[in-house]
Amino acid sequence: NAGVTQTPKFRVLKTGQSMTLLCAQDMNHEYMYWYRQDPGMGLRLIHYSVGEGTTAKGEVPDGYNVSRLKKQNFLLGLESAAPSQTSVYFCASVKGETSNQPQHFGDGTRLSIL
Amino acid sequence: AQSVTQPDIHITVSEGASLELRCNYSYGATPYLFWYVQSPGQGLQLLLKYFSGDTLVQGIKGFEAEFKRSQSSFNLRKPSVHWSDAAEYFCAVGGVAGGYNKLIFGAGTRLAVHP
Repeated sequence: NAGVTQTPKFRVLKTGQSMTLLCAQDMNHEYMYWYRQDPGMGLRLIHYSVGEGTTAKGEVPDGYNVSRLKKQNFLLGLESAAPSQTSVYFCASVKGETSNQPQHFGDGTRLSIL
Repeated sequence: AQSVTQPDIHITVSEGASLELRCNYSYGATPYLFWYVQSPGQGLQLLLKYFSGDTLVQGIKGFEAEFKRSQSSFNLRKPSVHWSDAAEYFCAVGGVAGGYNKLIFGAGTRLAVHP
């Protein structure tokens, strides 16, 4: 039972490089999310998707793009990485709109931008 | 504005001692409340959740939390802490906003356990 799987787990980039983080879920969930976690700030929502082919901005979307071409996958892209994007990134998914459903989280991607 | 406050950034307790982690929220509607735990290098695991009904909810690993509407609080408790409980704990409030299932997280409380 894989749940939510994030790849890669660790990555070091140089400023200006680009990369894509992949999130895959096998629970047939409609909603998927990308968060970033920084010390003392909890988790902040970057982008989210309410279904295949749809994406929307969250609280801190600048510098990131996302795509949801398949229901089970949600990709987070950094076009030109900046040191301020050094963080731990978490993907989450939930079945649907009902807000009493808990979100399921991946194990995170630790990204360092030099 | 919707928000979650966890007043304690770090807490240290001795193994076997009781634990209470505080959480206060601000939310315009009936809140759905969650506690998650994050062990070092891991993702977030759901400990417990409150939607309605009994204000004292039981979770995994011997944790419980009490919803107090009058105090806008949802404090997490455990009668006897084990060394394996050392982790970071996040309180979150959920709701449907703008047509999607939205979670707002507190900044977290890091728990250290002395042997």
